[in-house]
Amino acid sequence: EDQVTQSPEALRLQEGESSSLNCSYTVSGLRGLFWYRQDPGKGPEFLFTLYSAGEEKEKERLKATLTKKESFLHITAPKPEDSATYLCAVQEESNYQLIWGAGTKLIIKP
Amino acid sequence: GAGVSQSPRYKVAKRGQDVALRCDPISGHVSLFWYQQALGQGPEFLTYFQNEAQLDKSGLPSDRFFAERPEGSVSTLKIQRTQQEDSAVYLCASSFLAGDEQFFGPGTRLTVL
Repeated sequence: EDQVTQSPEALRLQEGESSSLNCSYTVSGLRGLFWYRQDPGKGPEFLFTLYSAGEEKEKERLKATLTKKESFLHITAPKPEDSATYLCAVQEESNYQLIWGAGTKLIIKP
Repeated sequence: GAGVSQSPRYKVAKRGQDVALRCDPISGHVSLFWYQQALGQGPEFLTYFQNEAQLDKSGLPSDRFFAERPEGSVSTLKIQRTQQEDSAVYLCASSFLAGDEQFFGPGTRLTVL
């Protein structure tokens, strides 16, 4: 059965304290892995798509990486406005639905 | 440009009532998806359209759930005889092609009393 597991469930950091969020997955064939950010009361906001092991993408203070079994979202020198829930989802080769993890709630304290 | 819009944003229904949730996707997007999100959880897939064709409805939890996209743009998710376990946020997403990144609307929060 396809599964996506995110860790930790919650992470509190001081402003400027870098860290990483983990997304491990098991799928029969990966079409793509997606990272989203979700703020309270809003829909998920697209961040990155990764397609193959070894691929990396960056956007401002965020960098996403992919291996055959997991993805990391690295956050460098975070600011309070980076506080949100970060969701990871995978899309199988055989269909187009996204299979989601439960998310990591990130809190950045000033 | 305009993003995905959903209406209503909030809906309160009495158990047993029928509800209809609307999604306006980004103009030109061929694919449209519906997801259900429980509090503190990631979204769960419900159904997928390519233009007006419903190609995957494997995630619909029961035959009380029905979705349509008759003209290949606006979509409606209908829930008949609502139950308390239907309480959740219902998210709509669209993408240009099915394998592209999906863009989400703000969701409709359904509360069944």
